Amino acid sequence: DTEVTQTPKHLVMGMTNKKSLKCEQHMGHRAMYWYKQKAKKPPELMFVYSYEKLSINESVPSRFSPECPNSSLLNLHLHALQPEDSALYLCASRSGTGGEQYFGPGTRLTVT
Amino acid sequence: GQNIDQPTEMTATEGAIVQINCTYQTSGFNGLFWYQQHAGEAPTFLSYNVLDGLEEKGRFSSFLSRSKGYSYLLLKELQMKDSASYLCAVFSGGYNKLIFGAGTRLAVHP
Repeated sequence: DTEVTQTPKHLVMGMTNKKSLKCEQHMGHRAMYWYKQKAKKPPELMFVYSYEKLSINESVPSRFSPECPNSSLLNLHLHALQPEDSALYLCASRSGTGGEQYFGPGTRLTVT
Repeated sequence: GQNIDQPTEMTATEGAIVQINCTYQTSGFNGLFWYQQHAGEAPTFLSYNVLDGLEEKGRFSSFLSRSKGYSYLLLKELQMKDSASYLCAVFSGGYNKLIFGAGTRLAVHP
């Protein structure tokens, strides 16, 4: 099983809303990632969790707040977003010892 | 610095073979990935090369030369559904971080 799942698939939110994106994998992977992707651009790394600890934060604004409750789950909490934050948000996971990285199907976020 | 280069666009004919090249200069190397991405969808894993040489998976093959900082993705017996963007990405060792090229948009024509 090489599946990473993400919910919701689509999300529309206002600039004053608070919402959360969820990601789950059951491959025993110990590294999990959040990426943001705009149209016709490659994925852009936001956060990396390694063994449930935040190891990389790519200077992401504080209106994005990641959380890793356990080794299978990764959340991204959203608050006071801007219209330019509209994008495809991708979760990915990888074995902590190396190997292949798999992406989830993504959440298409629209901020109005 | 970190740099990954691949052609922006390529076109090919159904049934033909196409090779997409990727050159990289990164501060560390812990493997090279190729992903396929259709418009509006998530990237799909195609291949992962850590050692030099050719990895073959059905119609897709990927080659790596670490000394030259070079990889290619070879697609055989092209089908219309192969029209997509192909992303080359390098894991920069020690940082657990995947660095992407800008992607190559492949258009397959009948």
